[in-house]
Amino acid sequence: SQTIHQWPATLVQPVGSPLSLECTVEGTSNPNLYWYRQAAGRGLQLLFYSVGIGQISSEVPQNLSASRPQDRQFILSSKKLLLSDSGFYLCAWSVGGTGSGEPQHFGDGTRLSIL
Amino acid sequence: DAKTTQPTSMDCAEGRAANLPCNHSTISGNEYVYWYRQIHSQGPQYIIHGLKNNETNEMASLIITEDRKSSTLILPHATLRDTAVYYCIVRARGGYQKVTFGTGTKLQVIP
Repeated sequence: SQTIHQWPATLVQPVGSPLSLECTVEGTSNPNLYWYRQAAGRGLQLLFYSVGIGQISSEVPQNLSASRPQDRQFILSSKKLLLSDSGFYLCAWSVGGTGSGEPQHFGDGTRLSIL
Repeated sequence: DAKTTQPTSMDCAEGRAANLPCNHSTISGNEYVYWYRQIHSQGPQYIIHGLKNNETNEMASLIITEDRKSSTLILPHATLRDTAVYYCIVRARGGYQKVTFGTGTKLQVIP
């Protein structure tokens, strides 16, 4: 069966520091991968998605970037964190390709606090 | 994607069936209905999805009306661990389209 791992679970970082959050998926090949942010009391905001190695699409302009160095690895980064980057970051995967109704499956998230 | 409307909150007695309604009157023909839930401080958990036929899996059943304008998620024997916020979304085909949650229904299972 497929599993998705995100780490760390919680992170406290000072303003201006760099960030690297990692997500890996097991048990599937060529998945679509996603990074979302969920602010407190608000819904999900899609940040990035990827349909293949090195292929990244950004949904909103921001202080963050994403990379997919391997088929089942997705990394969310920042060179300098802002206070507004605080939130709950979720990685998700879905079956690769288009045209299907397959659902997205989420990891357990990383709770990021910027001080 | 079509908009959905769900009750803000519901209570259910432990061991009884929990029936969570969702209205999606503007759903289009190529849009699926998906249900997720989110327990506090955890990532959303996929429950079930369907296009027009009723669906059942090990977690729940999904009943979609014939005109597809509404659906009901049924948890047959609710437990305390089913206390969560339940989100109904509709989304067109396309594996990389974003998931957008509304306010959802907060289900409280009562002992």
